[in-house]
Parts: sequence; structure tokens; C-alpha cells
Amino acid sequence: GAGVSQSPSNKVTEKGKDVELRCDPISGHTALYWYRQSLGQGLEFLIYFQGNSAPDKSGLPSDRFSAERTGGSVSTLTIQRTQQEDSAVYLCASSLVRASGYNEQFFGPGTRLTVL
Amino acid sequence: AQTVTQSQPEMSVQEAETVTLSCTYDTSENNYYLFWYKQPPSRQMILVIRQEAYKQQNATENRFSVNFQKAAKSFSLKISDSQLGDTAMYFCAFMKHGSGTYKYIFGTGTRLKVLA
Repeated sequence: GAGVSQSPSNKVTEKGKDVELRCDPISGHTALYWYRQSLGQGLEFLIYFQGNSAPDKSGLPSDRFSAERTGGSVSTLTIQRTQQEDSAVYLCASSLVRASGYNEQFFGPGTRLTVL
Repeated sequence: AQTVTQSQPEMSVQEAETVTLSCTYDTSENNYYLFWYKQPPSRQMILVIRQEAYKQQNATENRFSVNFQKAAKSFSLKISDSQLGDTAMYFCAFMKHGSGTYKYIFGTGTRLKVLA
């Protein structure tokens, strides 16, 4: 497809379980972002990948959260030992990176995670 | 650090009327971009309009226009001739210009309901 895709669309898990969320960016986009949208909150930046550079992990809320991007394309966000406060919509976005101008981010439809 | 504030959690407007959504931000940067995104119930984030901080002219996209007041750090969105399809969450976002992580800083959103 032409857009950013994410899977699964919805995920229900039990507290303490690990989950993996997947993001397929737009082909050719070198930058990839993960955001978290909690109820009543805005979108919170989690992590940023750009090409082969070291990712910017400054937004990850705890060491239970990690992400990787294999081959510069697909990314997986992993949450270990999930807690109820991890319940949120996790959005992925991708963009080109140009030295001049702005780099519009294109968003996927998100994964709604519910931790029981 | 940059912050974005949307002080109106919810708003409603009659179909065909005009509504203005407020956004203020705080930054020490001089070059940056501002955005309004729409998020309908499908969760898909859609770019509505963007503004480059170095441009004095307010951006316009069809029925959508902004009132950008750089000195006041204000960036409001005006929707004219509101349509039922405009019902959605609207997020204001900031992105600094230049190198580094091109992450968005989002506000907490305004839920807009267009009434028939």
C-alpha cells in the first residue's frame, strides 16, 4: 500500500505480558517515529529512527519499552511486562528527511493497546 | 523545551458556521513549523494545514485558515462553512527547523463536533 501501515489494529493483553507492535513505513522514507496517545493526553513522542544513525530514544517512558528498525524499513515497538498505564493508542509515522524545508510526517492508523 | 497548549478540550459548532480553535506554544527557537492535524474516529492523522514561522502571511487551505501571531506565540485554526465531516479531534503541533530529531510536539487536542 501507499501509506503507513500498523499491526495489529487492536491488541488486548494481560498485565505482565510482553507485546510487539509493528509499523511498515512508506517506501523510501528514511525517518520513522513512534508516538503514544493516551486518553485525555496529546501525542507523546517515544522514539525516532533516521537511516543508519543511532535512534533518539529520549521519549521512551521506561526500560520496559524498546524499539528496533530492521533493514531501515519495518519497525517493531516492544513493551515488556505490560502495565495498565501502558494502555493507549500507539501511532507510527514516517517521513523523508530533507535538509531544507519541512519533513511532513505521514501517520499510520495506530494500534490500540488495552492492558487488563 | 517546547510546549504546545490547547485550552479548549471540546467545542461544537453548527453546520455552515465558523469556528476557531486556539493553540499557544512556547519556544526559544526562531525557525520552526506549526501544524494542525485532524484525527477522525478512524484514528488516521490527517494534515490540515502548516505554517512556516519565517512567513508572515497566514496559511490558507480551502475552508481552513490560521491566525499566526509569532510574537504572541499563538496559532489558531479557523474553519469556515463547517461540515459534518469536520467532526474530529484537532491537534496543534510544533516542529523545530534544522538538524536533529524532527519530532512533533503536540498539544492535548480539541474535540470538535459539528452539529446538523
